[in-house]
Amino acid sequence: NAGVMQNPRHLVRRRGQEARLRCSPMKGHSHVYWYRQLPEEGLKFMVYLQKENIIDESGMPKERFSAEFPKEGPSILRIQQVVRGDSAAYFCASSPGRPETQYFGPGTRLLVL
Amino acid sequence: QKEVEQDPGPLSVPEGAIVSLNCTYSNSAFQYFMWYRQYSRKGPELLMYTYSSGNKEDGRFTAQVDKSSKYISLFIRDSQPSDSATYLCAMRLDAGNNRKLIWGLGTSLAVNP
Repeated sequence: NAGVMQNPRHLVRRRGQEARLRCSPMKGHSHVYWYRQLPEEGLKFMVYLQKENIIDESGMPKERFSAEFPKEGPSILRIQQVVRGDSAAYFCASSPGRPETQYFGPGTRLLVL
Repeated sequence: QKEVEQDPGPLSVPEGAIVSLNCTYSNSAFQYFMWYRQYSRKGPELLMYTYSSGNKEDGRFTAQVDKSSKYISLFIRDSQPSDSATYLCAMRLDAGNNRKLIWGLGTSLAVNP
């Protein structure tokens, strides 16, 4: 059973461009979480999705950020008009149900120039 | 005051030592307590979780929760160089659809051969 897959692993964008991060959960997992990690701030919850539904987006900035988890295909975290402050490691995690058992992907490291 | 406090370390111990890692928290309503290990440039890996108070053991790892003191611990027996990583605590409420995990900043551990 393959683990959580994230791509790309590294992404470089210039200010104002769009960043699109993908997450394929583990087989059989229908719950996906996105986190952002900065050295000084630790892991911060962004959004929790189930197939085709956003359940909790309380940690996601209201502007420029969006997430989806379609019926088919990976979950996508989209950041529009990136700014330097968006530079961070973005992790997704999947769970078969209980949020205590979240399995993390390797992360996407976003660098905004 | 952060909801979850964790000493960032670094903590350096000789191989074979018993390691004690700790977190304190402010929200007495937290019911689920998790410990994750994160190697450099990798995603967090779930070690174990406990519900409410008590101890849980898994191999060389023991997790303890003291809800009266709002204090959780992770003990590592017979520590190995491969245990060198950052250890993150996380916790959450037991409330309906609230699946958000609140994270400590992590403690960096180095086990020296």
